Amino acid sequence: SQQGEEDPQALSIQEGENATMNCSYKTSINNLQWYRQNSGRGLVHLILIRSNEREKHSGRLRVTLDTSKKSSSLLITASRAADTASYFCAVTGFQKLVFGTGTRLLVSP
Amino acid sequence: DAGVIQSPRHEVTEMGQEVTLRCKPISGHNSLFWYRQTMMRGLELLIYFNNNVPIDDSGMPEDRFSAKMPNASFSTLKIQPSEPRDSAVYFCASVSLGNSYNEQFFGPGTRLTVL
Repeated sequence: SQQGEEDPQALSIQEGENATMNCSYKTSINNLQWYRQNSGRGLVHLILIRSNEREKHSGRLRVTLDTSKKSSSLLITASRAADTASYFCAVTGFQKLVFGTGTRLLVSP
Repeated sequence: DAGVIQSPRHEVTEMGQEVTLRCKPISGHNSLFWYRQTMMRGLELLIYFNNNVPIDDSGMPEDRFSAKMPNASFSTLKIQPSEPRDSAVYFCASVSLGNSYNEQFFGPGTRLTVL
């Protein structure tokens, strides 16, 4: 299975701190995506990193990819209470996304 | 753009009843995915369509589940008969096959409770 697995399963931090979530996967990928899910909502795409990229930024998000270790990390800088959500990595096979188990992030004011 | 539309948002039914979930993808998107999310199993891909044709239904749990896409703007996921273990949130997502990045756009989900 190409399923991504996030670590940690849950993370609790204070506003203003940085949050780092990790994702590991098992096979070769075309790209890796990160999604956010607020409670009771659908998933929202955050950022995509291609297999030939090592780092990518989008606002307060920074994603890294290490294909030799089959791992990726998502860093959220200067976190806000509104960042409270579950975060999923998804690896792309042929047209399909395979989602990991998610990290639940709680940002306290 | 209204985004992906799913109905109903909540469904409570009794075991043995037929359940039909509906999805309207984003206009112009030609690939549609059905997912199921539970605490135990996470987010699972059930089936996906390209240009209204089912491509991979290997995630459909059993024959009680069926999905159709009669046209580019409508898809259904049917469970007959429903069982309590089918209780989950069912998501529909769509993507444009011309988008090489495969970013998927999710609907708000249907929360199904089978008593």
